[in-house]
Amino acid sequence: QSALTQPPSASGSPGQSVTISCTGSSSDVGRYNYVSWYQQHPGKVPKLVILEVTKRPSGVPDRFSGSKSGNTAYLTVSGLQAEDEADYYCSAYAGSDNLFGGGTKLTVL
Amino acid sequence: EVQLVQSGGALVKPGGSLRLSCAASDFILRNAWMHWVRQAPGQGLEWVGRIKRDADGGTIDYAAPMKGRFTISRDDSENTLYLQMNSLRTEDTAVYYCATETDTAAYWGQGTLVTVSS
Repeated sequence: QSALTQPPSASGSPGQSVTISCTGSSSDVGRYNYVSWYQQHPGKVPKLVILEVTKRPSGVPDRFSGSKSGNTAYLTVSGLQAEDEADYYCSAYAGSDNLFGGGTKLTVL
Repeated sequence: EVQLVQSGGALVKPGGSLRLSCAASDFILRNAWMHWVRQAPGQGLEWVGRIKRDADGGTIDYAAPMKGRFTISRDDSENTLYLQMNSLRTEDTAVYYCATETDTAAYWGQGTLVTVSS
């Protein structure tokens, strides 16, 4: 299985919204509703911000939302704040595999 | 509070072996799908493999580059997850994490650094 495809970078100004895509295939993202998104600050352990495509774990601000259309999942961060600047990774269940995207570096301008 | 505490990272020569541990507290490993994930220096996350919970058969799956070299196991009496790594290569150099997701949260170990170098 190939890794999921994410844009290497994304950016937005404080208060704006940014959407990051994660493209897989009909064998992973398109087939199962098990897509997660992780936020990782430099030198830190990844933190879950979205699971099962749209669910937000306790403690994650509602500025973070997830969606899916076909073989592509999306993470939207609304009302950007400085602390949102981080690397974001999508992850998808693919039967006998789990896949990660290559990561997107989100810059808050 | 759920905690996953990792140990075992080290400097090892190419061709060598190493076993990583992931001890769980406030959490029963056999009731969860447990994953190993690694991150090479300056790179992204890479799935290594997983062991399913007993209720789902306890099946173990590996990413293609790890098949035949890495072995995931679990000691239920110690509530500890293991990753045995053999025939290590320089490209296996990474921080290795154990992790799990429930239907409401995710828990990750603190990570342990494995360096493969002569």
